[in-house]
Amino acid sequence: NAGVMQNPRHLVRRRGQEARLRCSPMKGHSHVYWYRQLPEEGLKFMVYLQKENIIDESGMPKERFSAEFPKEGPSILRIQQVVRGDSAAYFCASSQGAGLNYGYTFGSGTRLTVV
Amino acid sequence: SQQGEEDPQALSIQEGENATMNCSYKTSINNLQWYRQNSGRGLVHLILIRSNEREKHSGRLRVTLDTSKKSSSLLITASRAADTASYFCATDSNAGGTSYGKLTFGQGTILTVHP
Repeated sequence: NAGVMQNPRHLVRRRGQEARLRCSPMKGHSHVYWYRQLPEEGLKFMVYLQKENIIDESGMPKERFSAEFPKEGPSILRIQQVVRGDSAAYFCASSQGAGLNYGYTFGSGTRLTVV
Repeated sequence: SQQGEEDPQALSIQEGENATMNCSYKTSINNLQWYRQNSGRGLVHLILIRSNEREKHSGRLRVTLDTSKKSSSLLITASRAADTASYFCATDSNAGGTSYGKLTFGQGTILTVHP
């Protein structure tokens, strides 16, 4: 059981480029969550997805950010035209179910640096 | 103040001492979870306590929950240098139409255990 796998671990992008962050949930987990952590802050919820469905994207910025969790393959968090303020650690978590007292398994994160 | 606020912000103790961290929150919850994050790493789920539970133990960890005061505490007994990390509480709430699976994190307590 490899746990929640995120790649890349570190990503450097120039302003205006696109960033694509990948997350493979734990085996048997069909719920994926993305969080963002700014330096020395707690995690902030971005989006919750199930296979082929976005369930809650209330934490996603309205522009430039999108997420998907296709039927096959990892979940992707995509940031278009990155700006310096997008520099942060992005964590993905997965669970067997939503709420109902399930714990969440987090990946090691992708640290995005925009230069 | 925000949902899931921890105090103290930083705690420094000697090996063998107990460490107590507190968390307060604002809305009604399904459960409250504690996570540990080592510097520059992902989050590790420590323990989950349901809203109808008052106390829970796991190894050297003891968590209490007081829903009337909307607060929780995490006690680490007989601390070790390896316990040095940031500790976050996170609430899984159902208030205001918040979907299950959307954790709200506090800003964390930085624990340093000196050998």
